[in-house]
Amino acid sequence: TAGITQAPTSQILAAGRSMTLRCTQDMRHNAMYWYRQDLGLGLRLIHYSNTAGTTGKGEVPDGYSVSRANTDDFPLTLASAVPSQTSVYFCASSSQGSTDTQYFGPGTRLTVL
Amino acid sequence: GQQLNQSPQSMFIQEGEDVSMNCTSSSIFNTWLWYKQEPGEGPVLLIALYKAGELTSNGRLTAQFGITRKDSFLNISASIPSDVGIYFCAGHDSGAGSYQLTFGKGTKLSVIP
Repeated sequence: TAGITQAPTSQILAAGRSMTLRCTQDMRHNAMYWYRQDLGLGLRLIHYSNTAGTTGKGEVPDGYSVSRANTDDFPLTLASAVPSQTSVYFCASSSQGSTDTQYFGPGTRLTVL
Repeated sequence: GQQLNQSPQSMFIQEGEDVSMNCTSSSIFNTWLWYKQEPGEGPVLLIALYKAGELTSNGRLTAQFGITRKDSFLNISASIPSDVGIYFCAGHDSGAGSYQLTFGKGTKLSVIP
């Protein structure tokens, strides 16, 4: 099985432009998450979804939005990118929320110029 | 909010040596997880701990859930070059009513052949 896939693998984006990072899982997990990883700061949660149709804000939600129209997909949108959003973005999923293990995608490296 | 202190930040060790890293929390967790991240990839789960005092092994890896529920350690015995990577601890407090994990900032391990 594919597990979790993310697209694109990397992207260079001009400041002020919008972009959607895609995440798809084929494990029928209820919960999905978006993290950003920055040097020296570790993994920080941006948004999460406990189940299809619901979303919640994580530690660093400003400038990002998410939707969860179905179980498999959890896109992350940057409406107007800024250079501070340059980061590596990871999508993750789990079957019973965080008491079960989270499985991570391969990541999207985003550079905002 | 909850904070995890992970140490050491980085380690350089000789192949064959044992490695020990730990995480301490400012508050109690019900679950401790240890992940490994290799360059260009997402974190991969190594060991999950669900009970205070639990000691769990996965090959050459051993992790323990501290009795106070505020700490955990990971040991790697007889290190080999493929152990290189960044190791993250993560904790979850089910009593907080959320599915979010709190991550440590990682321990970067380098193994000298």
